[in-house]
Amino acid sequence: NAGVTQTPKFRVLKTGQSMTLLCAQDMNHEYMYWYRQDPGMGLRLIHYSVGEGTTAKGEVPDGYNVSRLKKQNFLLGLESAAPSQTSVYFCASITPGQGVMNTEAFFGQGTRLTVV
Amino acid sequence: RKEVEQDPGPFNVPEGATVAFNCTYSNSASQSFFWYRQDCRKEPKLLMSVYSSGNEDGRFTAQLNRASQYISLLIRDSKLSDSATYLCVVILYYGGSQGNLIFGKGTKLSVKP
Repeated sequence: NAGVTQTPKFRVLKTGQSMTLLCAQDMNHEYMYWYRQDPGMGLRLIHYSVGEGTTAKGEVPDGYNVSRLKKQNFLLGLESAAPSQTSVYFCASITPGQGVMNTEAFFGQGTRLTVV
Repeated sequence: RKEVEQDPGPFNVPEGATVAFNCTYSNSASQSFFWYRQDCRKEPKLLMSVYSSGNEDGRFTAQLNRASQYISLLIRDSKLSDSATYLCVVILYYGGSQGNLIFGKGTKLSVKP
């Protein structure tokens, strides 16, 4: 099915380990986003990309890096995981600017990450 | 001040009730507005876009007030299945934050029998 796919769906890391989360979309969307969601905090933007080869910091970028080498993929990296990065991570994609009626953000199903 | 603010609730209402949520946004560069619904431990899904003239989809009505910088969602004849968290979303199109898709923290609705 078309849409946004996140891998992995679950992961347990030890403090200090590294990992990469992959977000892939097949809708030719320009903009892609990584969020984390914690209880009582809502969705907080980590990094985003407005096109292939571009990235920008969001609200909570520290401890994360991203890359958008291909339009369809947006990677989120944790170089040295910390327990504070235990969260649910969502990826989203959108092609804005076509008018409200044609704009919708599609989400992946989330990655539940636990850092112990 | 947060870019997008919502009353977190919870709103506990009986079936059949009418309930309204408000959301305020601080950045006048905000150009597109949406309501999303999120069920427990699931990804957010689009409920409805919010048009300048206001729009209705069945039991749901969304309004936008650009002058006061708020949007609203009205749910009529609440159903048990409406229980969820409702997220207010804006997209910024100008300035250094161009392309930001910003979410409010969400308003939790619980519809009781």
